[in-house]
Amino acid sequence: EVQLAQSGGGLVSPGGSLRLSCVASGFAVDTYSINWVRQAPGKGLEWVASISSSSTYKYYAESVKGRFIISRDNAKKSFYLQMNGLRVEDTAVYYCARDECSEGTCYSDYWGQGALVTVSS
Amino acid sequence: DIQLTQSPSFLSASVRDRVTITCRASHDISGYLAWYQQEPGKAPKLLIYAGSILQSGVSSRFSGSGSGTEFSLTISSLQPGDFATYYCQQFKNYPYTFGQGTKVEIK
Repeated sequence: EVQLAQSGGGLVSPGGSLRLSCVASGFAVDTYSINWVRQAPGKGLEWVASISSSSTYKYYAESVKGRFIISRDNAKKSFYLQMNGLRVEDTAVYYCARDECSEGTCYSDYWGQGALVTVSS
Repeated sequence: DIQLTQSPSFLSASVRDRVTITCRASHDISGYLAWYQQEPGKAPKLLIYAGSILQSGVSSRFSGSGSGTEFSLTISSLQPGDFATYYCQQFKNYPYTFGQGTKVEIK
């Protein structure tokens, strides 16, 4: 069974740092890209970052570029989102999601349970 | 960036109603579109990918259509578990943008 188990959320002061983790099971992680998506309280979904299967390609939303770093360790079946310079507006539930590609397109077919990040003084 | 505009933003309907949600893209995204359902406090659930392909295990009451810039999600007969928020997402280009969401509530 494919599963993505998240950890690392919490309360942090503005300007602080936090690292989110996502541990995979049930599939060969080294063949899939991974996305991070967030959802601010009462708001819609926002794509944050993506990393290719071998870490060759990394993409970021403009809102987090230069502050967040996406990474992965395929040997540990783990994916990470290092968040630095956190702002109040980064407060959200953060999801990791597996990026499947077939039928000539891609889509996020499995999601973690989410991790709440609260940025507040 | 590719903008996705969903309509309506809010929909009130009854059990067994047929409902349709539209997603319009600011640029041609071919069939690079997915639909998700999200219940409060839960992670999104994939319903449709490639614009019209039903994800394994998802009820056949859900269907998707469209290509290019116009897409739609139809629920043929609303059931109590379908009252949720629905999002479209494009995978044509980074950033992988989402529509703003459509909340389906019980009339």
